[in-house]
Amino acid sequence: NAGVTQTPKFRVLKTGQSMTLLCAQDMNHEYMYWYRQDPGMGLRLIHYSVGEGTTAKGEVPDGYNVSRLKKQNFLLGLESAAPSQTSVYFCASTRGTSGNRYEQYFGPGTRLTVT
Amino acid sequence: EDKVVQSPLSLVVHEGDTVTLNCSYEVTNFRSLLWYKQEKKAPTFLFMLTSSGIEKKSGRLSSILDKKELFSILNITATQTGDSAVYLCAVEQVGGGSQGNLIFGKGTKLSVKP
Repeated sequence: NAGVTQTPKFRVLKTGQSMTLLCAQDMNHEYMYWYRQDPGMGLRLIHYSVGEGTTAKGEVPDGYNVSRLKKQNFLLGLESAAPSQTSVYFCASTRGTSGNRYEQYFGPGTRLTVT
Repeated sequence: EDKVVQSPLSLVVHEGDTVTLNCSYEVTNFRSLLWYKQEKKAPTFLFMLTSSGIEKKSGRLSSILDKKELFSILNITATQTGDSAVYLCAVEQVGGGSQGNLIFGKGTKLSVKP
């Protein structure tokens, strides 16, 4: 049981380049989330998904797109990277929020630098 | 605007000390409050609090929630160098367009000196 994994661990992009971050979970969780963490800002929610085929915007969605084609995978895309997107990106998943309450499990993070 | 505020932002103590970390919140559609510990990488889950006045304990760590005054505290007794980390407080929202979204505070950086 690997939990939540993220690919890649590190990446350096030039301004204007595109890339996709992959998050995978093997816990059969319904809900998945993408956060970014910046110094002095805490974690902020970018996008989230409450199930396969669904996505929704979080607090800071601009400049990012997401897709959840398979339940176990949640992809975060940057179409045209900007230096302001330099950050550490964390993916998280949880079983669900209806009825019982479950904590979110986090992946190890992806450190992205945009020059 | 929803917000979660942690204090202090950083703290340096010596091994054996007891520390109290604070988290206050103003969040609509409150569902639960969570504490995470973040060392080098991913935040790891410590506690989830949903009811006022019920203390949760795990070894030397304990936490309690006050839903009337809108705050929570995390206590660590007999601190060890391995407790050095950033401690994150987050409030879970459900309803009003949110689905289990977490609003995080900026964290408290705890450094425990030998």
